[in-house]
Amino acid sequence: GDSVTQMEGPVTLSEEAFLTINCTYTATGYPSLFWYVQYPGEGLQLLLKATKADDKGSNKGFEATYRKETTSFHLEKGSVQVSDSAVYFCALSGGNTGNQFYFGTGTSLTVIP
Amino acid sequence: GAGVSQSPRYKVAKRGQDVALRCDPISGHVSLFWYQQALGQGPEFLTYFQNEAQLDKSGLPSDRFFAERPEGSVSTLKIQRTQQEDSAVYLCASSLAWGDTQYFGPGTRLTVL
Repeated sequence: GDSVTQMEGPVTLSEEAFLTINCTYTATGYPSLFWYVQYPGEGLQLLLKATKADDKGSNKGFEATYRKETTSFHLEKGSVQVSDSAVYFCALSGGNTGNQFYFGTGTSLTVIP
Repeated sequence: GAGVSQSPRYKVAKRGQDVALRCDPISGHVSLFWYQQALGQGPEFLTYFQNEAQLDKSGLPSDRFFAERPEGSVSTLKIQRTQQEDSAVYLCASSLAWGDTQYFGPGTRLTVL
């Protein structure tokens, strides 16, 4: 079945450091890929998405490129801020299994000043 | 409304009690989803509605779990005879139509003692 695997955390970075959170997927069909973020005490928020191969999603300085050849959707940011501290979830939807989302286990990021 | 709302935000139940969790989706959103998020894990799909029709309930863990959306808007997730393993955050999400981005509510944290 469809699934998402993302790098385990927690990740701790200094402010202005470069961030990469790896995400790979297994899916039949042509899924859309997403990154959701969960700030402390809040619900899941869509960070960015890509709906087809080679698309790049971007938002708030974060980027991820849909790579069909490596089945990956790694999240990157060039310079993290303290306010980026949150849990990040990679997800896919819309393969052959319909509209439900499959989430990774989440990666906790802490950015220290 | 401005977003998906859920109530209550927190629920403590004694083992064996029945609980009902409410979701108010974004107005006009046709699709509605329920997910269960255990501590330290990503959300896992429970069930999906399109309008009032429950099209997929393959993720419901047992027949103690029941969901309804009788008028195609508000949805209720009911758990009968709660068990300790039911303790989790229950998330509701809605989307405008099949395949569109899902928007998540803040969740209901259920603790079964």
